[in-house]
Amino acid sequence: DGGITQSPKYLFRKEGQNVTLSCEQNLNHDAMYWYRQDPGQGLRLIYYSQIVNDFQKGDIAEGYSVSREKKESFPLTVTSAQKNPTAFYLCASTPPRNTGELFFGEGSRLTVL
Amino acid sequence: DAKTTQPPSMDCAEGRAANLPCNHSTISGNEYVYWYRQIHSQGPQYIIHGLKNNETNEMASLIITEDRKSSTLILPHATLRDTAVYYCIVRPPWDTGNQFYFGTGTSLTVIP
Repeated sequence: DGGITQSPKYLFRKEGQNVTLSCEQNLNHDAMYWYRQDPGQGLRLIYYSQIVNDFQKGDIAEGYSVSREKKESFPLTVTSAQKNPTAFYLCASTPPRNTGELFFGEGSRLTVL
Repeated sequence: DAKTTQPPSMDCAEGRAANLPCNHSTISGNEYVYWYRQIHSQGPQYIIHGLKNNETNEMASLIITEDRKSSTLILPHATLRDTAVYYCIVRPPWDTGNQFYFGTGTSLTVIP
């Protein structure tokens, strides 16, 4: 079935370590997004990419990096520069020039010890 | 910033209609209203969207006021599985920034 796959679902890391979260989609969507969600809060945009080899910072990009070498893949690296990385991370995508519906993955929960 | 205002929480009796309001008084003419819901620790799920006409699908109905400054999502027969946080979002469908702004939404609890 088509969809968005995020991995790992749960991740524990020590403070100061870089972490890469995977996001893969087989929906043939052009635009992909990374959101962060903290307990009791809404979603905040980290980065988004409209096409391969192009990406833009969202509202809270500091301490994060992304790449978009393939249409299907949009990995997010949480660097040691991110002051408070413990959160729930969500990847999403939209098809081109449709009515704007977002498709989400199931999320990755990162805990920094 | 989110352009919508929603009540932080609501309760609804199982089997009754759940009516979730959203205020979007600054909506522009080309902006659609989208509704998503998020069950705890899962990715948000698309429910419905509309521009100015009322819309209905298998999940819900969307009622948009004539001046488009507010809308109501209706779950006609709420079940326990409808307990979730519901987000109302406004945006142009082909916004060049491609950004969806999620606020804190409405936490709906369906009571047995």
